[in-house]
Order: sequence, then C-alpha cells, then structure tokens
Amino acid sequence: NAGVTQTPKFQVLKTGQSMTLQCAQDMNHEYMSWYRQDPGMGLRLIHYSVGAGITDQGEVPNGYNVSRSTTEDFPLRLLSAAPSQTSVYFCASSSRTGPDTQYFGPGTRLTVL
Amino acid sequence: GQQVMQIPQYQHVQEGEDFTTYCNSSTTLSNIQWYKQRPGGHPVFLIQLVKSGEVKKQKRLTFQFGEAKKNSSLHITATQTTDVGTYFCAAPNTGTASKLTFGTGTRLQVTL
Repeated sequence: NAGVTQTPKFQVLKTGQSMTLQCAQDMNHEYMSWYRQDPGMGLRLIHYSVGAGITDQGEVPNGYNVSRSTTEDFPLRLLSAAPSQTSVYFCASSSRTGPDTQYFGPGTRLTVL
Repeated sequence: GQQVMQIPQYQHVQEGEDFTTYCNSSTTLSNIQWYKQRPGGHPVFLIQLVKSGEVKKQKRLTFQFGEAKKNSSLHITATQTTDVGTYFCAAPNTGTASKLTFGTGTRLQVTL
C-alpha cells in the first residue's frame, strides 16, 4: 500500500492563478480531509469528506473547493490563489467515518507570489 | 469555534531529561488524539484516548486523559534525540464530531 499520496510536493503560483492539489489513498478509507499548516498555528481543517459524494466545510474553507467522486481521490482546488494561501497543505484519511487515527500524506508546499 | 490550547509552545531539553506537553479544552472532549511531526515531515498518529482518567504507555511515552475529559498530557521519560519534533494533540469538535481541531503544538528540541 502506498498509503496517502499527494502531488505536487512543491508549487509556486502567481496571485490569481488556479490549481488543484491532488490527494489519493489506497486504503479504502471513508474519511478524508485537507489541512493547512502555518507557522505557530498548528493544522487547520479546510474541508473534509465522510464518504464518496459527501463533502463539508472545515474551519478555513474560503478560497478552496473540494469534490469526492471516488473513495480514493479527494482533490483540493484553489480558485484564485492569494498570498495568504501560502502554506503547507496536508491531506489525511481515516478508516472510519470520523477523524479517528488519521493517516497523513507527505504534504504540498505552496507559495503564492 | 472549539479551541484546544497546548503548552508549552517550545521546549529545549538535554538528552536524558524528561519532557511533558499539556493540552487543555474548555469543553468536554469525546476523545483526544496525539500526533508527532518530525521536522520537514508529516504528522504521524501516536495514540487515541477515550475514557476518563485513561493512561496509556508506549515505551518511554505516557499519555493521560483527565478525569473531566477536558485535558490531556504527553510525558516522555529520558528523552532521546529521536524524540525531536512537534507534538500535537487533536480532538473532535463538540458540535460536529467529523471535524478535528488540532492544538498549536509543542516543539521539542533535544541536544546531547
């Protein structure tokens, strides 16, 4: 099992550009989530999904969209990148329908100029 | 929104010394989880505590959940350089259990 994979590892965007951060898991997990990590602020939940076809907002959803068309994939879309979205983004999954024992991907380091 | 306060923010110890990080909430928690993140890495799940007053051990790590289920601690005995990293507690939101709130983390530095 590859676990949770994320692409790309690094990305530089200009303000206003859009892009999609990819996340996939091969553990047949129901629960998937996206976090951003900024210095001194821990991890903050952006969006989450309790199963295919179901998504909901987390703590900091503005400027981001998600979809969950399959159990395996949970992409995060930045609609119009802003410097405030410069951060490290982590995707995570859990075998239950809630955030128990989350497995994290390696992260995507995003810089918005 | 729900807040989980974690202290200290940073601790620097010499190898062999003990280390403790504390997590506090103003609301009763259904469970609390602990994660470790090595520098440049991703968070890795350590343990989940569910019961009031629960104590669990993993080798040199001891995890406690308070009697009122509002606080938790992680204690490392005789730290080693391999313990370096940031330790986070996390708990499901009281209102929406599908949302997990992380503490701000305690960064541990261990020197010889």
